[in-house]
Amino acid sequence: GNSVTQMEGPVTLSEEAFLTINCTYTATGYPSLFWYVQYPGEGLQLLLKATKADDKGSNKGFEATYRKETTSFHLEKGSVQVSDSAVYFCALSSPSGTYKYIFGTGTRLKVLA
Amino acid sequence: NAGVTQTPKFQVLKTGQSMTLQCAQDMNHEYMSWYRQDPGMGLRLIHYSVGAGITDQGEVPNGYNVSRSTTEDFPLRLLSAAPSQTSVYFCASRLLGQGATGELFFGEGSRLTVL
Repeated sequence: GNSVTQMEGPVTLSEEAFLTINCTYTATGYPSLFWYVQYPGEGLQLLLKATKADDKGSNKGFEATYRKETTSFHLEKGSVQVSDSAVYFCALSSPSGTYKYIFGTGTRLKVLA
Repeated sequence: NAGVTQTPKFQVLKTGQSMTLQCAQDMNHEYMSWYRQDPGMGLRLIHYSVGAGITDQGEVPNGYNVSRSTTEDFPLRLLSAAPSQTSVYFCASRLLGQGATGELFFGEGSRLTVL
């Protein structure tokens, strides 16, 4: 079945450091891929998405590229800020029309000033 | 600018009690769903609906009931609460059909503790 694996946290970085959070997936067909972010005490909100191979999603300085050959969708940001401290979830939506989303376990990021 | 609204935000139950978590959205989304979030396990789908009168099971449906009588509302019922149902519950909705982006819109969550 479909699954998402993302790196375990927590990840602790200093402000302005480079961020990578790894995400790999297993799916039949061509799923859409998402990164969601959850700030403390809030629900998840969409950070970026990609719907087909080689698409790059980007938002607020974050980027991720849909790599079909490596079944990956790693999240990157060149210079993190304290305000980026949150939990990040990688997710896929099944292409089969069942409307089921599979989420990774989440990676907690803490950015220190 | 309500979006997805969940109530209550916090609830403590005793084992065996029943309760309903409410979810309402004002975006005319056809699709609504319930997830539970547990440490180290991410979000797991409980039930979902693609329209009024249509519901289906997700990954972890046991112990939960849903119904969808209107487009706006999708309540989640716990019939006989168990400590294993202690979790944070999220309701999420999205548009379906042409023009839909696939983005899920989440409520702020309901933290349930079962003693």
